[in-house]
Amino acid sequence: GQQLNQSPQSMFIQEGEDVSMNCTSSSIFNTWLWYKQDPGEGPVLLIALYKAGELTSNGRLTAQFGITRKDSFLNISASIPSDVGIYFCAGQLGGSARQLTFGSGTQLTVLP
Amino acid sequence: DAMVIQNPRYQVTQFGKPVTLSCSQTLNHNVMYWYQQKSSQAPKLLFHYYDKDFNNEADTPDNFQSRRPNTSFCFLDIRSPGLGDAAMYLCATSPWKGQTIQYFGAGTRLSVL
Repeated sequence: GQQLNQSPQSMFIQEGEDVSMNCTSSSIFNTWLWYKQDPGEGPVLLIALYKAGELTSNGRLTAQFGITRKDSFLNISASIPSDVGIYFCAGQLGGSARQLTFGSGTQLTVLP
Repeated sequence: DAMVIQNPRYQVTQFGKPVTLSCSQTLNHNVMYWYQQKSSQAPKLLFHYYDKDFNNEADTPDNFQSRRPNTSFCFLDIRSPGLGDAAMYLCATSPWKGQTIQYFGAGTRLSVL
């Protein structure tokens, strides 16, 4: 099946630092979603992107839909301890495919 | 306020003993999904329903079955759980077939002894 390459796999940062993670693919996607998953919980939607070049913010989070439609990135500014968790990108391919393809996740640890 | 509710949150079963996980939703969404998620991995789609129309992923083992008796409820039946079936099972919903966003429940953590 289609694959999304998500990087980095894990990050250790100091509280207050900015964070950046991204997903890339060889396929073109129509939609990009970013989810956060806390330990023992289900993923929670952070940001949805629908158009190439779209830049969307949600508080300290900013995500962009790449111009080529093959990538997306998520930035977190001024990280805080509650940002800890696993961040997943997910994309929907074009055409009749409606299912989401998930990236492998970025485990974020914020050190006080 | 929980909109996609999974019960139980934790389930322990014995090797080979059938188990059923449940999902309910108050969103009146047409589409429901079941995912399996193993530790530190992405969710893996098992199957989904468009209303009553059942869609099985090609690599979902026969050991996994699903039922959707009405719009609000969906069940995952594991007929003979093996040790490799221990995982987090996630239910998700979408309003309609063309909608990308999926809303996840909190998951059921299944342990197989």
